[in-house]
Amino acid sequence: RKEVEQDPGPFNVPEGATVAFNCTYSNSASQSFFWYRQDCRKEPKLLMSVYSSGNEDGRFTAQLNRASQYISLLIRDSKLSDSATYLCVVSQGKLIFGTGTRLQVFP
Amino acid sequence: EPEVTQTPSHQVTQMGQEVILRCVPISNHLYFYWYRQILGQKVEFLVSFYNNEISEKSEIFDDQFSVERPDGSNFTLKIRSTKLEDSAMYFCASRTGRGNTEAFFGQGTRLTVV
Repeated sequence: RKEVEQDPGPFNVPEGATVAFNCTYSNSASQSFFWYRQDCRKEPKLLMSVYSSGNEDGRFTAQLNRASQYISLLIRDSKLSDSATYLCVVSQGKLIFGTGTRLQVFP
Repeated sequence: EPEVTQTPSHQVTQMGQEVILRCVPISNHLYFYWYRQILGQKVEFLVSFYNNEISEKSEIFDDQFSVERPDGSNFTLKIRSTKLEDSAMYFCASRTGRGNTEAFFGQGTRLTVV
């Protein structure tokens, strides 16, 4: 089983749509969880950390379910500029990346 | 805003040659990492470095790889004898701590082995 699994997509959605990404991780000892965003041929950049209580940052909401070892990201009111690859990242000291889910928002 | 800087942005080298990829982490950060991303694939962990020594390394980080922090600011990755399959984007990252702290990534060095 992969350490961090994501649906690779692509997810093609119209502007204004709501889209949800899911991620599962295999190591229950994982300590911290993040969503990073990666634009084509660029470095990963932190989108948000993920907490068990759930957290929201504007149009973005992240949830963590430790019992199910499951992480989610919800993007509301999608913008063209949201088009990117979204990386689920788990920290066990080092950061372990999922394969990423590609999002394409069209007009 | 402080940032991680990497040089060069692109390096082309012949198979069998040695390359050194350079990184300047953010100045008050304590943990340093190298990752690589082969085109179209996921970001893969290579090595972590703390307190002037390697704290963890992956199976990819074999004897042809080494890291150094020679002068307290630069953090280098050396590949001794490059292979075609070493062609990838190499990212350096740094953080203030482990746990729930953000890792900041450099813009990467694209290594092409011909």
